[in-house]
Amino acid sequence: DAGVIQSPRHEVTEMGQEVTLRCKPISGHNSLFWYRQTMMRGLELLIYFNNNVPIDDSGMPEDRFSAKMPNASFSTLKIQPSEPRDSAVYFCASRTAGDGQYFGPGTRLTVT
Amino acid sequence: GNSVTQMEGPVTLSEEAFLTINCTYTATGYPSLFWYVQYPGEGLQLLLKATKADDKGSNKGFEATYRKETTSFHLEKGSVQVSDSAVYFCALSGYNTDKLIFGTGTRLQVFP
Repeated sequence: DAGVIQSPRHEVTEMGQEVTLRCKPISGHNSLFWYRQTMMRGLELLIYFNNNVPIDDSGMPEDRFSAKMPNASFSTLKIQPSEPRDSAVYFCASRTAGDGQYFGPGTRLTVT
Repeated sequence: GNSVTQMEGPVTLSEEAFLTINCTYTATGYPSLFWYVQYPGEGLQLLLKATKADDKGSNKGFEATYRKETTSFHLEKGSVQVSDSAVYFCALSGYNTDKLIFGTGTRLQVFP
């Protein structure tokens, strides 16, 4: 199994630009999670989906952030417009019922 | 609510030393417990898990036992290697929820 796939691995963009992060979960997993990790705040859950439906988005920082899961094999996290404080590593994870979550390698986002 | 408390790091050890990283939890019902490891520049990897009291999870020489009486899930390894240097996260998943509650992480540094 290829594991959770994230793209891009690194993204550098200017403040005000739109950023789209992509995730392909492990085949057969029915839950998908988006996290953000920074030195200051540690690991934060932003949003998660169950069977492609958003279940809890209470961790999404503000309206600039949005996430979609149009089908079982693809999800996006969009930031529009981006700000320097959004700089972080963004992880996607997936799981199947009764198991732990499996993380992707992350996308390191730098907003200048 | 549910929470996880880990010992502060960094933990600094010489190669072949015995490792213990303490983790205690607060939860209602019967949570599942996990240890994750994060190597520099990588995502979190599921190291081991335990789903009920007295279960012992083990992987790559690491072990942890689910102790309901002390609400603990301490991570142990009999002989650490330099390659074990990483950040270790304890986590729990409450009953009937997909979300993971993470501890703050403990950095382990192993020197030759």
